[in-house]
Amino acid sequence: GAVVSQHPSRVICKSGTSVKIECRSLDFQATTMFWYRQFPKQSLMLMATSNEGSKATYEQGVEKDKFLINHASLTLSTLTVTSAHPEDSSFYICSATGQGAGNEQFFGPGTRLTVL
Amino acid sequence: GENVEQHPSTLSVQEGDSAVIKCTYSDSASNYFPWYKQELGKGPQLIIDIRSNVGEKKDQRIAVTLNKTAKHFSLHITETQPEDSAVYFCAAGRGGNEKLTFGTGTRLTIIP
Repeated sequence: GAVVSQHPSRVICKSGTSVKIECRSLDFQATTMFWYRQFPKQSLMLMATSNEGSKATYEQGVEKDKFLINHASLTLSTLTVTSAHPEDSSFYICSATGQGAGNEQFFGPGTRLTVL
Repeated sequence: GENVEQHPSTLSVQEGDSAVIKCTYSDSASNYFPWYKQELGKGPQLIIDIRSNVGEKKDQRIAVTLNKTAKHFSLHITETQPEDSAVYFCAAGRGGNEKLTFGTGTRLTIIP
């Protein structure tokens, strides 16, 4: 299957700071990328959908000014958690799809964010 | 919007036996149904998927069946092995670059 990477895999930050997470498609062009949040022992919750070169579409209840998403190229999308607070601590996972991936969704390995 | 229900939430089977996980969906426009395996601390891994133009798909020990009339689909794992232990998620969507709606997950434990 297609390969999606995320960086960093783990980050610890102080409350009030901003954190940027990168999602890259390594062997295909990702026309669409998705960002999910997953709390312990729960399912994946879609936060937003981003298409290359256009603004992200956020799910209901997700603050777009707090979770900034940029999809500037066909291989890179970034999620910035602004003014992070302890309740933002979670496992953030991206996925990507495109013709080179058979229009299937492939997930990155996830980023564990801990806000102190 | 789409709503996906998944059962059971936990499943324990003896090594070598079969495991079946079932999902139902609500949106008749959904036509793409993937299954993901997630190990602890990792991202979900696509293990098999099925589109609405077929009723069954098999890949070695893994098979998926789809009943579009009843709006349900199932994952079948035969000859289970300890490495099959993980959380499995079903999902439904319209394919292409459309978003997926996930089930609540099934924690599968294979007993040696």
